[in-house]
Formats: sequence, C-alpha cells, structure tokens
Amino acid sequence: DQQVKQNSPSLSVQEGRISILNCDYTNSMFDYFLWYKKYPAEGPTFLISISSIKDKNEDGRFTVFLNKSAKHLSLHIVPSQPGDSAVYFCATVETGANNLFFGTGTRLTVIP
Amino acid sequence: ETGVTQTPRHLVMGMTNKKSLKCEQHLGHNAMYWYKQSAKKPLELMFVYNFKEQTENNSVPSRFSPECPNSSHLFLHLHTLQPEDSALYLCASSQEDRGRYAEAFFGQGTRLTVV
Repeated sequence: DQQVKQNSPSLSVQEGRISILNCDYTNSMFDYFLWYKKYPAEGPTFLISISSIKDKNEDGRFTVFLNKSAKHLSLHIVPSQPGDSAVYFCATVETGANNLFFGTGTRLTVIP
Repeated sequence: ETGVTQTPRHLVMGMTNKKSLKCEQHLGHNAMYWYKQSAKKPLELMFVYNFKEQTENNSVPSRFSPECPNSSHLFLHLHTLQPEDSALYLCASSQEDRGRYAEAFFGQGTRLTVV
C-alpha cells in the first residue's frame, strides 16, 4: 500500500498561471516533506521542503503548503514557466529514518 | 565532476549475465542510497549505507548485491536478473547529521533492461 499518493499523473497549465500539484500521505509519523523535480534522462533534483512544524514554506515562485490534519501537501508554482515542465515527485520521511517515501509523480506541462 | 555520477547510463543484460552499476558522489556526503523506479510505481528505496555500513536492506532479492568500498563510491552488483527487474536505478547521497533528515542528491540513473 502506497504511503504517499499523487493522484494526478499529469497537469497542463498555461504559462503565467498558477500550477498546483497535490500529494497525500497516510503515515502521521512523517514529519518532513519534500518536492523533487525530474527532467527526462536526469535524476530527481531537490526543489523545496517543509517541516511538520510549519504549514507554509516559500522560495521564489515555489510555495509548499502542509495540512497535517488532512495529511495533505501541495506545491504551488506561480507564475508557471515553460521551463517548469517536468515530473514532480512528492516525498516524505520520518526524522531519524533514512527511508524517503516517494509518490508516483505528476507530469507538469506548461504551455507557452 | 560535481554531484552524483552514475555509470553506465544504459545497460541491457541477459538473465544469465553479471554486471555492476557504479555510483560516485563528489559532495563529501556520508550516506549513499540505491533506489529503483519502475514504470508507474513510486521510487523504492533498496539499500542505505551510512559511513560505509549498510543500515537498510528493504527486502531486496539477493540477486542485487550492494557494495560500498568507501564513502564516495557505491556499487550495485547484478546477477541472474529477471525481466521484471528492468527499471531505472537511481543512486543518491546525503549528509546525515544525528538523525536530522537532509535532502538527497540524485544521480542521473541507469536505465536497465533485462532480456
């Protein structure tokens, strides 16, 4: 059973608009959450993270929101740019453990 | 070179072959990992090495054998694989500090096809 779920396999957004990628998790012990971005033929690269003591973390055009009661996090990209087109993976971990649990990814396409 | 480097990038092997995947990290990290990504499945952690010691083996079949000769190099030795082992194998590294999680840096992966 997957502990991290990204229910939307793909998302298309117009350039300049907001992209919202969603992620749900099942284990309440997870306390650190990350988003990775992956271009074709490359490994995932770290994008942004959030600790469970926060509900929002912002870095430039990227903002991650965490709703612990709903076990849900989201990544907002605004404004979206064509270079943001990639697969985005949500990942979670329980502090003290080495095991990152990844979602299946959402392919974002930003249309110029 | 910088970051995490994996070789080869692509590998096709028969079920009776023996091959090895190599990973090298130039980040001075103390932990290294092997992940497997199969189509339409989440990334799965296979092995973890902290300070060259294997600390996790997530029920990986014995036909996959990791080796970590030093903190910068990690190998995955493959033998008598099955077609269902075809996947993208990703190496990653991180700097672990007293249980506080640090972001993992990934290599580009080895696309393995077992025929």
